[in-house]
Parts: sequence; C-alpha cells; structure tokens
Amino acid sequence: SQELEQSPQSLIVQEGKNLTINCTSSKTLYGLYWYKQKYGEGLIFLMMLQKGGEEKSHEKITAKLDEKKQQSSLHITASQPSHAGTYLCGADTGNQFYFGTGTSLTVIP
Amino acid sequence: DAGVIQSPRHEVTEMGQEVTLRCKPISGHDYLFWYRQTMMRGLELLIYFNNNVPIDDSGMPEDRFSAKMPNASFSTLKIQPSEPRDSAVYFCASSTTVRVGDNEQFFGPGTRLTVL
Repeated sequence: SQELEQSPQSLIVQEGKNLTINCTSSKTLYGLYWYKQKYGEGLIFLMMLQKGGEEKSHEKITAKLDEKKQQSSLHITASQPSHAGTYLCGADTGNQFYFGTGTSLTVIP
Repeated sequence: DAGVIQSPRHEVTEMGQEVTLRCKPISGHDYLFWYRQTMMRGLELLIYFNNNVPIDDSGMPEDRFSAKMPNASFSTLKIQPSEPRDSAVYFCASSTTVRVGDNEQFFGPGTRLTVL
C-alpha cells in the first residue's frame, strides 16, 4: 500500500552476511509489526514495536522503530538459509491497519 | 490445537462461478479476520468479526464479496460472481484481541484462488 513503503523488494545474500529491511510510513504509527511468510503459508508474527526509539531482538533478528515513529528497520545478523522468506511490516495508524508489500529474502548457502 | 484451518487449500474456477472459502478459527478466539494477498496490492484486511458479529467490513472490495460467521467455529467468505481479478491467496486469522499484530493472532495456511 502507498501508506507503507518497504525496501528493498527483494534481497539475495550469501549465508553469513548481515542485511537490513526498511519500512517507512507516511503517517505516525501507533504500532509497527514485523511478520515472516513462507511461500504458500500464513504469516508468522516476529515482533511488535510501539515506542519511538524502541528496539527488540529475537535470536539474530533485531527491529527498531525510529524516534518519530514513522520508520522501522529489520536487521538480520549472520543470515542463514532458515531466514529465507518474505518479510512484511504491518502498521497501525490508529484507525486503520496497513501492510507493506513485502521483501523477499533469499539466502544462498 | 490444530491452529486455524482453511479449506480448500486451492480453488480453480471459471469466471462467473460462485466461490466459497471456509475457515475454522482456533477454539476460544473471539476475533476472526479475512485477508486477501496479491502481488499487486499486497496483504489487505477484508473484514473482521468479534463474537460472530461483523465489526469492520470496509475492506471488502465490492458487493460480490460477502462473509458470514454463523457460529464461533466457522466462517465463510463468498464471492459471487467471481472474476479473474479476484485471483489471490485468501487468509483467515483468529485472535483473542482486535489489536492486529499482537502475538495472539494466528494465520491459517490460506486458500489460493484462481479464477479463469
């Protein structure tokens, strides 16, 4: 959706490399959510960020929400083939919920 | 628990035909959501129910789409008549909260619909 821009659209990295996916909103966010989706499957919730400047980590995945609460980044350290999939951000603008268009990640062993 | 169950997993139909997608939410979840995912538009929320009552259907694209939840364990999304542009993956999700994105929301595997 135009309300939520995700970049890059696709990413191919060598196993062990770090990578970052960005999600930018045109509106102030009440909540920013990251999901992972494997082809043909539903979404798996990864993390939720609500406060400006907030940062959360789970295993090798770190997500941050900027101070103005309009941009978030998802960082994967030392990527593995198991990280492959499509990563989507979702944003709660207070009266509506939007999803980004997704970033397709391929990790080459 | 088996999680959210959707059927069929794949549906191929001809333009003009009626299509019915089915969803069984996780037992005890009060909220049920229907989403549509396409390459062009990404993931879109179509409608959600709370305690079997439709709360927000502003995402339903047009009158050809209708959704029902006759009881707490079953919901349907119907398209009549179907059109090629309806081709997409339709996801059902259930939750104990309306806060989309909270970790209580669980997605089904989706129904891949192709309208020829």
